[in-house]
Amino acid sequence: DIQMTQSPSTLSASVGDRVTITCRASQSISSWLAWYQQRPGKAPKLLIYKSSTLESGVPSRFSGSGSGTEFTLAISCLQPDDFATYYCQQYNSYPHTFGQGTKLEIK
Amino acid sequence: QVQLQQSGPGLVKPSETLSLTCTVSGDSISSYYWSWIRQPPGKRLEWIGYINYSGSTNYNPSLKSRVTMSVDTSKRQISLKLNSVTAADTAVYYCGMYRNGYYEAWGQGTLVIVSS
Repeated sequence: DIQMTQSPSTLSASVGDRVTITCRASQSISSWLAWYQQRPGKAPKLLIYKSSTLESGVPSRFSGSGSGTEFTLAISCLQPDDFATYYCQQYNSYPHTFGQGTKLEIK
Repeated sequence: QVQLQQSGPGLVKPSETLSLTCTVSGDSISSYYWSWIRQPPGKRLEWIGYINYSGSTNYNPSLKSRVTMSVDTSKRQISLKLNSVTAADTAVYYCGMYRNGYYEAWGQGTLVIVSS
């Protein structure tokens, strides 16, 4: 299985800040990586796929980059709604695997 | 827009079978792959497997011996059965749909607690 590791596990920031979250794969996954946002008690919501393609309806302050084994999710100008947990997911091969999550907290 | 509605019991006894159903509305069931994904309390999401409209499946090797997925196209339903459950199977279970590997929509989630 491909192991996905996110850093940091927790991130404290303020409204208006820009933050980045890193996701590393245990082997190359080309650009087959997605990012999700999950709020407490809710299902994950797709933000980005194929490493950098923004899902329809997702604000442009979210952006993704990377290929191979290292990927980044950036959120600029944080809004109150953005404080949630973020997961990466690889779909290069089965089984699909997810990172352990990054909890974005209000400072 | 596709919507996924999950149903099934929230409490299962140890050694028994967990059964969940996901009902699809808003698009053709044949257009997608249908997965079950679970999230134990405080842990990461874990992919259980997928099924397509024709019944082809692929299960996570870690669960393969205990998992069965099925599809009923006439009812627009995808089902999950996980047998011989233990406390380690306590989790929120989600159904999800994808075409190209990333999950475009999810069910609302079902918390299943394994306890006597």
